[in-house]
Amino acid sequence: ETGVTQTPRHLVMGMTNKKSLKCEQHLGHNAMYWYKQSAKKPLELMFVYSLEERVENNSVPSRFSPECPNSSHLFLHLHTLQPEDSALYLCASSQDSGTSGGFYEQYFGPGTRLTVT
Amino acid sequence: AQSVAQPEDQVNVAEGNPLTVKCTYSVSGNPYLFWYVQYPNRGLQFLLKYITGDNLVKGSYGFEAEFNKSQTSFHLKKPSALVSDSALYFCAVRDRLANQAGTALIFGKGTTLSVSS
Repeated sequence: ETGVTQTPRHLVMGMTNKKSLKCEQHLGHNAMYWYKQSAKKPLELMFVYSLEERVENNSVPSRFSPECPNSSHLFLHLHTLQPEDSALYLCASSQDSGTSGGFYEQYFGPGTRLTVT
Repeated sequence: AQSVAQPEDQVNVAEGNPLTVKCTYSVSGNPYLFWYVQYPNRGLQFLLKYITGDNLVKGSYGFEAEFNKSQTSFHLKKPSALVSDSALYFCAVRDRLANQAGTALIFGKGTTLSVSS
């Protein structure tokens, strides 16, 4: 739909499990993002990768661990999560021109609905 | 810090009537403003953006937005609403990351648009 895919679409995990969320963008972008969307809260920016380098870790607990092996793929590794981590996790990508140029819109994947039991 | 506010949690409008979804912003420097739409169980879809130029910006699906610098507003509008426009709408502003290494979007809390037939 938007050139950004996420798997799995739904995930149920226990608090002691380890799982990973995957995001892939087919748009040739150089920046990728993880957002958390909880009920009744604004979208929260979690991590930003620009040119495969993490450039933002927005006070996210260490039980969330991102990985960006190349500009097309982004992972979010999960371990020992809490029930309050249940949310929709959205991946996005954009073309970031840095400090010298304009700013381009972000394109979002469909999200992974995570439930922690 | 940059921020946007969406003062209405919900907007109700009858099909065929004009609709407005409100957004106000607070930024230092020139604002880069965006509107996104989210349908149930889907990711966010880009509608339109204001970077510079004409204050009236046209976007996807017949939507437009009016940038008003004196009122620091960026309201989303459509002349004739459709039932299929019912969704969650987000206003966003660009925020440069603290270390200048990239950019991110700061989102409002969202406004649910309900169009009745």
